Amino acid sequence: EAGVAQSPRYKIIEKRQSVAFWCNPISGHATLYWYQQILGQGPKLLIQFQNNGVVDDSQLPKDRFSAERLKGVDSTLKIQPAKLEDSAVYLCASGAGRANEKLFFGSGTQLSVL
Amino acid sequence: KQEVTQIPAALSVPEGENLVLNCSFTDSAIYNLQWFRQDPGKGLTSLLLIQSSQREQTSGRLNASLDKSSGRSTLYIAASQPGDSATYLCAVKRTNAGKSTFGDGTTLTVKP
Repeated sequence: EAGVAQSPRYKIIEKRQSVAFWCNPISGHATLYWYQQILGQGPKLLIQFQNNGVVDDSQLPKDRFSAERLKGVDSTLKIQPAKLEDSAVYLCASGAGRANEKLFFGSGTQLSVL
Repeated sequence: KQEVTQIPAALSVPEGENLVLNCSFTDSAIYNLQWFRQDPGKGLTSLLLIQSSQREQTSGRLNASLDKSSGRSTLYIAASQPGDSATYLCAVKRTNAGKSTFGDGTTLTVKP
């Protein structure tokens, strides 16, 4: 079974530039999450999708972050404009949408904002 | 608001030792609790999931327990090996459809 795919693996940009991350969840998984993990901390949820609908985006900085999940499969997360404090690893996770599901994570995109 | 704490932040043990990692949470109304492992530069791998109605789960040398009333979970690792070196995170879910709230993890080093 293929895992959660994310790209790019690394990204270095200057502040005020824009950046986009891509995630392809495990086939058939209805739930998709984007997490931000700052060095030394646990992941923090940015946005949760159920199929192509948003379930929770309460912690997404909507003035600069946006995310979409077209056709309930792939998802992209965008930051525009980036700030220094956005330097972090952005993790995508997916789940089958069933009760007591385990989460499956991708390897993440490490973003450095200079 | 649910808060999840993991103490200690780091732990170093000699190979072969049995050890316990701790996770505490402030709101006992949880749906499930999950333990993850994270290797440097990698994503998270689910180790064990305990449903709110369960007291413990076991997989190989790992045993996770849950005490909702005291807001605690422990991950017991038996006969530790250098390959167990990683960061271990716990995550609590309030509802089936809700998000998982993570602790900051315990970084374990097992010395040969």
